[in-house]
Amino acid sequence: NAGVTQTPKFRVLKTGQSMTLLCAQDMNHEYMYWYRQDPGMGLRLIHYSVGEGTTAKGEVPDGYNVSRLKKQNFLLGLESAAPSQTSVYFCASSPFSGARGPGNTGELFFGEGSRLTVL
Amino acid sequence: GENVEQHPSTLSVQEGDSAVIKCTYSDSASNYFPWYKQELGKRPQLIIDIRSNVGEKKDQRIAVTLNKTAKHFSLHITETQPEDSAVYFCAASSRGNEKLTFGTGTRLTIIP
Repeated sequence: NAGVTQTPKFRVLKTGQSMTLLCAQDMNHEYMYWYRQDPGMGLRLIHYSVGEGTTAKGEVPDGYNVSRLKKQNFLLGLESAAPSQTSVYFCASSPFSGARGPGNTGELFFGEGSRLTVL
Repeated sequence: GENVEQHPSTLSVQEGDSAVIKCTYSDSASNYFPWYKQELGKRPQLIIDIRSNVGEKKDQRIAVTLNKTAKHFSLHITETQPEDSAVYFCAASSRGNEKLTFGTGTRLTIIP
């Protein structure tokens, strides 16, 4: 049971290049999330998905696109990378929303992170 | 939307002493408040959470308190140990909201 797996772990891009981060989970979770982590700014939500075929914007969606074609995968794309997108990216999954009611922990299970540098 | 503020940003505590981290939230509809711990170079992991129908929850050396009236909640770690050194994040979400809003984190250092 691998949990949440992110690829690649590290990537260096030049400004204007494109790339895709892949998140895969084997826990049959409905909800999946992409966060970015920057010093002093905590974890900020980029996009999320509440089920296969659905996506929604988070706090900082500009410059990113996502897709959830299969329940177990959530892809984060950068079409034209900018230095401001240098960050550590975390994918997470959850079986339920944290506020859905008693018995649902709402715990987020995070991947190991992907460090992206844009030059 | 929800706004979560967390203080302090850094905290140094002598081993064996207690540590307290405080968070405030803006959305009165928020009713779920988890705390995550992130060790250096690792992924965040849930350590404790509380729902709005209780005022306090304990798990061994860790406790969380919630004051709904004042819209703030706190993490208390007693008898601190070196392995408690990490960054701690608070978060909040409301019923029907699939998103967690995180605080900016507190770097806790335990001094041997």
